[in-house]
Amino acid sequence: DVKVTQSSRYLVKRTGEKVFLECVQDMDHENMFWYRQDPGLGLRLIYFSYDVKMKEKGDIPEGYSVSREKKERFSLILESASTNQTSMYLCASSSPGAWGTDQETQYFGPGTRLLVL
Amino acid sequence: DAKTTQPTSMDCAEGRAANLPCNHSTISGNEYVYWYRQIHSQGPQYIIHGLKNNETNEMASLIITEDRKSSTLILPHATLRDTAVYYCIVRVLIQGAQKLVFGQGTRLTINP
Repeated sequence: DVKVTQSSRYLVKRTGEKVFLECVQDMDHENMFWYRQDPGLGLRLIYFSYDVKMKEKGDIPEGYSVSREKKERFSLILESASTNQTSMYLCASSSPGAWGTDQETQYFGPGTRLLVL
Repeated sequence: DAKTTQPTSMDCAEGRAANLPCNHSTISGNEYVYWYRQIHSQGPQYIIHGLKNNETNEMASLIITEDRKSSTLILPHATLRDTAVYYCIVRVLIQGAQKLVFGQGTRLTINP
């Protein structure tokens, strides 16, 4: 079974703190993703990475950065946490589908519920 | 920019089949239909996906119409643990990686 783990299920931080959210996958997947989920807004893509040391901005990258030093680990960094970054953060991983096909299944971690006070 | 439409909510009796519809009228020829579900306070869980043939796995069956403009996810014998939000997704490819655009999904409630 694919396993995606996130370092914390719940996290409470203060405004201005630097926050690290860690994600690890054990299936040798090339692609990894960070989303946030908020009521009424669905899942929104923050950043993704399709290889080690590679990163691409998603829909809402402002206020976030990422790091992918190893294939299995993708970190989301909040440089200076703000209250509007209170959210559920979800990490996912996937492997590209076979050439010529469009299939690529993403597998999600359990999520980290972050509260910024 | 979700490319699918689903009913907001549905109810189903425990032990009965739950049939969740999804419209994806703008789907293109090589796009797969994916289904995920999200149980409260957990990450989305992959259920099944398909292109044009019907698919079945240990969790569910997926029926795709011949014109591929709609599909139905079937949970054959729903249990209380199947209560969740179910998302029907047609993914969008950006910069070499897929983007899953989750809409609001269908909130399925299984009643005892």
